[in-house]
Amino acid sequence: EAGVTQFPSHSVIEKGQTVTLRCDPISGHDNLYWYRRVMGKEIKFLLHFVKESKQDESGMPNNRFLAERTGGTYSTLKVQPAELEDSGVYFCASSQDTGGTYYEQYFGPGTRLTVT
Amino acid sequence: AQSVTQLDSQVPVFEEAPVELRCNYSSSVSVYLFWYVQYPNQGLQLLLKYLSGSTLVKGINGFEAEFNKSQTSFHLRKPSVHISDTAEYFCAVSDYLTGGGNKLTFGTGTQLKVEL
Repeated sequence: EAGVTQFPSHSVIEKGQTVTLRCDPISGHDNLYWYRRVMGKEIKFLLHFVKESKQDESGMPNNRFLAERTGGTYSTLKVQPAELEDSGVYFCASSQDTGGTYYEQYFGPGTRLTVT
Repeated sequence: AQSVTQLDSQVPVFEEAPVELRCNYSSSVSVYLFWYVQYPNQGLQLLLKYLSGSTLVKGINGFEAEFNKSQTSFHLRKPSVHISDTAEYFCAVSDYLTGGGNKLTFGTGTQLKVEL
């Protein structure tokens, strides 16, 4: 079974440009999460989808970030316009609703975004 | 709000020596606790987790961690490390009261470097 995949693995863009990151969760996983790690700092939660609905977007830094999950399958995270402080590694994770109190999150390899 | 502190950003250790990676957390509610590992160019992999029950938790690759509620700690240990354990290790917590799709709060990570 394929794991969580993310595309691209690396992206280098100039300040002011737009970038779209994509995440394909494990098939059948209704929960999808985005996290970000700015260099040297902790990995921070951005948002959580349940199917196509945003369950929690409390971690989204500002309105330059737009996340979508049309059809409840893959998700995209668009940054427009990109700023220098947006540089970092963006992780996607997915989990399956097992009906309990804990769902294990499976992480993708991340997309390294560099804004110059 | 929850927070996780990993005081050691880097831990060098010789092969076959024991190692302890420290993690302290703060939370106003009960939490689940996790250790994740990230090998170079790979995604985060769950090493072990504490949900309830025995405070000593065993994970993959010979790692174990002990939950200490009074000291709000969840230190990771391995009695004898191998070169292949060289990776970055992240401690994380989630709040089990908010349901199964819990977002994770991470520490800043500890880079374990195993030397010959």
